[in-house]
Amino acid sequence: EAQVTQNPRYLITVTGKKLTVTCSQNMNHEYMSWYRQDPGLGLRQIYYSMNVEVTDKGDVPEGYKVSRKEKRNFPLILESPSPNQTSLYFCASRMTGVETQYFGPGTRLLVL
Amino acid sequence: LAKTTQPISMDSYEGQEVNITCSHNNIATNDYITWYQQFPSQGPRFIIQGYKTKVTNEVASLFIPADRKSSTLSLPRVSLSDTAVYYCLVGDKNYQLIWGAGTKLIIKP
Repeated sequence: EAQVTQNPRYLITVTGKKLTVTCSQNMNHEYMSWYRQDPGLGLRQIYYSMNVEVTDKGDVPEGYKVSRKEKRNFPLILESPSPNQTSLYFCASRMTGVETQYFGPGTRLLVL
Repeated sequence: LAKTTQPISMDSYEGQEVNITCSHNNIATNDYITWYQQFPSQGPRFIIQGYKTKVTNEVASLFIPADRKSSTLSLPRVSLSDTAVYYCLVGDKNYQLIWGAGTKLIIKP
């Protein structure tokens, strides 16, 4: 089944404790991205990757890092999480040149 | 990147046809119009995409006038399960899109 998976789905952590949210897709998509969604707002893009070893900042990259060592994986790293990073995070992937994005189930993060 | 404007919320009843209009006055020649649906605590799901005139699939229809400055998503005979947030996005297929707050559609019995 074609899908985007994220882990963990729920995470509670404390300020400053490094964490990684994994994202994996099995559709051989070149393009992957991370979004955050806060109440009443649409999705805001954090980082995106056009292909392996190619990443770029989205609209709200501060406090986040990403890597794209393999085509299928695109982890999101919070080196020193802060409470303002409490949010719902979505990973997405698509083929280059095609708008249709496939989203993961989301990761709900609470930073205390 | 073209900005879109859509109603914040809409109500309708089961069995009715629902039309959600999106305004995109600054749409560029290469831009497509795409609609996504999002249920609470789930990732958005692609509904339909079009460039001009009318597009129909098994879920919805998309009407785009000749000037392409607006578009209308039409959901036929809605049910309670169509309650969701609907996003209208405009952009070239190779560029990033800006997500607005969407239209919160509530279907009543």
